[in-house]
Amino acid sequence: ELKVEQNPLFLSMQEGKNYTIYCNYSTTSDRLYWYRQDPGKSLESLFVLLSNGAVKQEGRLMASLDTKARLSTLHITAAVHDLSATYFCAVDNAWGGGADGLTFGKGTHLIIQP
Amino acid sequence: GAGVSQTPSNKVTEKGKYVELRCDPISGHTALYWYRQSLGQGPEFLIYFQGTGAADDSGLPNDRFFAVRPEGSVSTLKIQRTERGDSAVYLCASSLFGGPHEQYFGPGTRLTVT
Repeated sequence: ELKVEQNPLFLSMQEGKNYTIYCNYSTTSDRLYWYRQDPGKSLESLFVLLSNGAVKQEGRLMASLDTKARLSTLHITAAVHDLSATYFCAVDNAWGGGADGLTFGKGTHLIIQP
Repeated sequence: GAGVSQTPSNKVTEKGKYVELRCDPISGHTALYWYRQSLGQGPEFLIYFQGTGAADDSGLPNDRFFAVRPEGSVSTLKIQRTERGDSAVYLCASSLFGGPHEQYFGPGTRLTVT
């Protein structure tokens, strides 16, 4: 069974600081996705990582994938309040023996304080 | 362009009743997914359609849950004899094809079973 674990699950940080969210998964995969969810809203796609060593950046967010370590990171640089949200990583079930649905982590609830 | 739409946005029903939840995917997207998200959790995969057929329904929790996509576009998730534990947000997503392609999520239907 494919398992996806995120840590931390809750993070409170100050504006201007840097931090990293970690996503570990239990099966070989080179398909990893990061989503953002605001309270009461649906999921917004942030990054799609499709190969070992993939790195993508958008504004203050940067995501990377290490398939050998089964680890992805989401790094936040000089955080601003607008980045407060819940961040999910997800892995493609096809690599866990299923079809193309995603298995999500529990999410990291990020609060950025002025 | 239009994104994934879901109706209704909210549904309150009594225990034991039957409900239908509708998803309109992005036009031209062949792959359609249903997920269920409980409070404070990540989305949980239910079923994946490629065209008209269910390619993987392994996430459906029991035989009270059923989904169809008769013309390869709109999908309906049907829940019979609803139970209080079925209360959750039901999310639909679509992608251009299956496989390693970005999934675009709809706003969800919040189902409350009283």
